[in-house]
Amino acid sequence: DGGITQSPKYLFRKEGQNVTLSCEQNLNHDAMYWYRQDPGQGLRLIYYSQIVNDFQKGDIAEGYSVSREKKESFPLTVTSAQKNPTAFYLCASSIALATDTQYFGPGTRLTVL
Amino acid sequence: AQSVTQLGSHVSVSEGALVLLRCNYSSSVPPYLFWYVQYPNQGLQLLLKYTSAATLVKGINGFEAEFKKSETSFHLTKPSAHMRDAAEYFCAVSDPVSGTYKYIFGTGTRLKVLA
Repeated sequence: DGGITQSPKYLFRKEGQNVTLSCEQNLNHDAMYWYRQDPGQGLRLIYYSQIVNDFQKGDIAEGYSVSREKKESFPLTVTSAQKNPTAFYLCASSIALATDTQYFGPGTRLTVL
Repeated sequence: AQSVTQLGSHVSVSEGALVLLRCNYSSSVPPYLFWYVQYPNQGLQLLLKYTSAATLVKGINGFEAEFKKSETSFHLTKPSAHMRDAAEYFCAVSDPVSGTYKYIFGTGTRLKVLA
């Protein structure tokens, strides 16, 4: 079955540590996205990538980094510079950028202790 | 700039009653519009989307939405609520003309279904 996988489902880290969230898709989509979800704030775009080896900052990129070395993979690193990293992180993909429907993974809940 | 407003962060309905979740958008051109559903601790699932074809869009699980340009609205409805409809619902807008890359999401409406 085609889809998007995110791992792990739950992640706990100590303050000051970097942590990397995995996102893999087998839909053959070119575009991939990372969102952060906080209660009552909807989804906010962190980074997006249109093609391999290219990515752009979203609305709240500070304290995060990404890479896109393979079409199917778009890992997100939450660095120690992110002031409030505890949140639910969602990865999505679409055939292309702009208006194409985005399909979401199951999410990773990160808790920084 | 585009924006999306979902009126009512929490909505409660009785099982079997009409579900109406409101979404208003702000856009300089007719946008593409989406409704997603999210169950607790899960990702978002597409319910339906409007892409300038028929103004009444039918989606999964018995939901539908009507695009009303004059009211800049895209409200989600379901004639009869079921317990399994309890979830959070997000409206999103995307501008097909400007070439912007991203969705703008509303802040969500949590639907509670009362037995």
